[in-house]
Amino acid sequence: DTGVSQDPRHKITKRGQNVTFRCDPISEHNRLYWYRQTLGQGPEFLTYFQNEAQLEKSRLLSDRFSAERPKGSFSTLEIQRTEQGDSAMYLCASSINSGLTGELFFGEGSRLTVL
Amino acid sequence: AQSVTQLGSHVSVSEGALVLLRCNYSSSVPPYLFWYVQYPNQGLQLLLKYTSAATLVKGINGFEAEFKKSETSFHLTKPSAHMSDAAEYFCAVSDQRSSGYSTLTFGKGTMLLVSP
Repeated sequence: DTGVSQDPRHKITKRGQNVTFRCDPISEHNRLYWYRQTLGQGPEFLTYFQNEAQLEKSRLLSDRFSAERPKGSFSTLEIQRTEQGDSAMYLCASSINSGLTGELFFGEGSRLTVL
Repeated sequence: AQSVTQLGSHVSVSEGALVLLRCNYSSSVPPYLFWYVQYPNQGLQLLLKYTSAATLVKGINGFEAEFKKSETSFHLTKPSAHMSDAAEYFCAVSDQRSSGYSTLTFGKGTMLLVSP
């Protein structure tokens, strides 16, 4: 399978715990995005990487959130001291630099439930 | 900033009936527009995209959409609904950033329900 891969698919945690999600983009894609999707809403942009550089962070990304993309390959999204409001689907997407139309390829998401 | 509005959070049709899902956009520049479909507990799959070529765009699974600049609309249609079309549909507009890359801004989605 050469699509975008996310792990884990589901995570249940207690409030206050830290969680980390991993995203492996399509191999030739140098652009990587994280989105958050809550119930009844469309995906909301969180952050963007071009290669290893994090070029933009949404105001939705509080200080408890951190994302990395070492070596410009896979990416991780860590949430520290989770809160119930963090419960959502976290979607990763990738695209190729020449994709000027903005088409994104999405993974199947990591669903977080904070108890 | 670009935005999209999807009219109707839920649309119900009978199998074999016409599907019409509405999307209106707001953009200060000629937009690139997309429709994505999301099945339960899955990611988003691209149905079709408008990139300033033909105004009538054909996608997968028999869906098509027409770009109407005068109405700032990009409605999604399918002549005959199948049970397998039941899913959530998202309209999105490409949001060009000053640094040269683009991301997508999504509508809130429309859940399509298909009854036998």
